[in-house]
Amino acid sequence: ILNVEQSPQSLHVQEGDSTNFTCSFPSSNFYALHWYRWETAKSPEALFVMTLNGDEKKKGRISATLNTKEGYSYLYIKGSQPEDSATYLCALSGYSSASKIIFGSGTRLSIRP
Amino acid sequence: DSGVTQTPKHLITATGQRVTLRCSPRSGDLSVYWYQQSLDQGLQFLIQYYNGEERAKGNILERFSAQQFPDLHSELNLSSLELGDSALYFCASSGTGVGETQYFGPGTRLLVL
Repeated sequence: ILNVEQSPQSLHVQEGDSTNFTCSFPSSNFYALHWYRWETAKSPEALFVMTLNGDEKKKGRISATLNTKEGYSYLYIKGSQPEDSATYLCALSGYSSASKIIFGSGTRLSIRP
Repeated sequence: DSGVTQTPKHLITATGQRVTLRCSPRSGDLSVYWYQQSLDQGLQFLIQYYNGEERAKGNILERFSAQQFPDLHSELNLSSLELGDSALYFCASSGTGVGETQYFGPGTRLLVL
């Protein structure tokens, strides 16, 4: 059974500061790790999908890394902006299209102007 | 706009009643997923359908059921509603490959009084 833990649960960051948070998993028995951004009053929106140990993905000021050997993924935000305020969800999906996708409880990020 | 549509947006009903939530996936997507988000809770996976067949089941109550029709739209039926069923219900769709990104609809907010 896949298990996903995210830390911290919430984070307050000053505008302009860089930040990062963690998704950890006890087992690398999954096919893909996904990061989603979930803004208040909206629906989750996909950011990245990573499948291989050492994968790094970047989209603008946001980047993510995957370390399956040590059981974690980091999401980095460089130069935080107010529009980055959201809950960031990590999820694991298995090896078949019938596998459940397991979501972590998320890290709620608030950017202080 | 993810391309996934859900109706209705809001639903207010009474305990003991039955409601149906509807989801239309993105064009070409065969998989449909249903999630529940209760107050201050994360995304709870309920059930997945692929091309009309149930593929994976999560924490779905026996009072809840779902189906996917030949035109690939899906319905989630909630019966004998209780106060605790009040939540935001999301539908997501994805393509046929393993580890594909899920695209979320805007959600249906259900309030049981």
